[in-house]
Amino acid sequence: AQTVTQSQPEMSVQEAETVTLSCTYDTSESDYYLFWYKQPPSRQMILVIRQEAYKQQNATENRFSVNFQKAAKSFSLKISDSQLGDAAMYFCAYRPTYNTDKLIFGTGTRLQVFP
Amino acid sequence: DGGITQSPKYLFRKEGQNVTLSCEQNLNHDAMYWYRQDPGQGLRLIYYSQIVNDFQKGDIAEGYSVSREKKESFPLTVTSAQKNPTAFYLCASSGPGVNQPQHFGDGTRLSIL
Repeated sequence: AQTVTQSQPEMSVQEAETVTLSCTYDTSESDYYLFWYKQPPSRQMILVIRQEAYKQQNATENRFSVNFQKAAKSFSLKISDSQLGDAAMYFCAYRPTYNTDKLIFGTGTRLQVFP
Repeated sequence: DGGITQSPKYLFRKEGQNVTLSCEQNLNHDAMYWYRQDPGQGLRLIYYSQIVNDFQKGDIAEGYSVSREKKESFPLTVTSAQKNPTAFYLCASSGPGVNQPQHFGDGTRLSIL
């Protein structure tokens, strides 16, 4: 069975600094999608970034980038120039290509940003 | 603006009572989903629907029921058979194609009186 593991329940970073959130997953599939979602105190889940497994190039969205290591089954999120508004729960999620309904989430990492 | 609307934001249930959570989307998405979120457990899939009048059980469907009579609506009923209903419930939808992410509503917090 596919699983997603986020081993850091909490992380903290100073404003303007860089922080990396870890995510590992387990699958026997070769083609799949990976996502990072942000859940601020308002509780809405917001898509931050996504990565297609067949693309070797790491995805980037403004201050957010990923380090996708397919062989190691690792998908970390790097937040550069951290802002107070980045404080939230961050969830890593996996979805196999063959089943678009199956979105498997990790348990989340709570990120605190200090001024 | 297109989006997903969940109501109510907060809901209270008495023992033995069924309650229904509303989810409406105007994104013209075919697929809709219901998730339950508990502290420290991430999101777990309750039910999902790919087309009108059809839906499938997710990983934790026991004690829940759904309907999909319209494309834009996917209500979730928490029945009295669900013994631990206190949780945060999130509705999501997605468009066609394997690369389409799921978009989420703002959620409903259900508590037991």
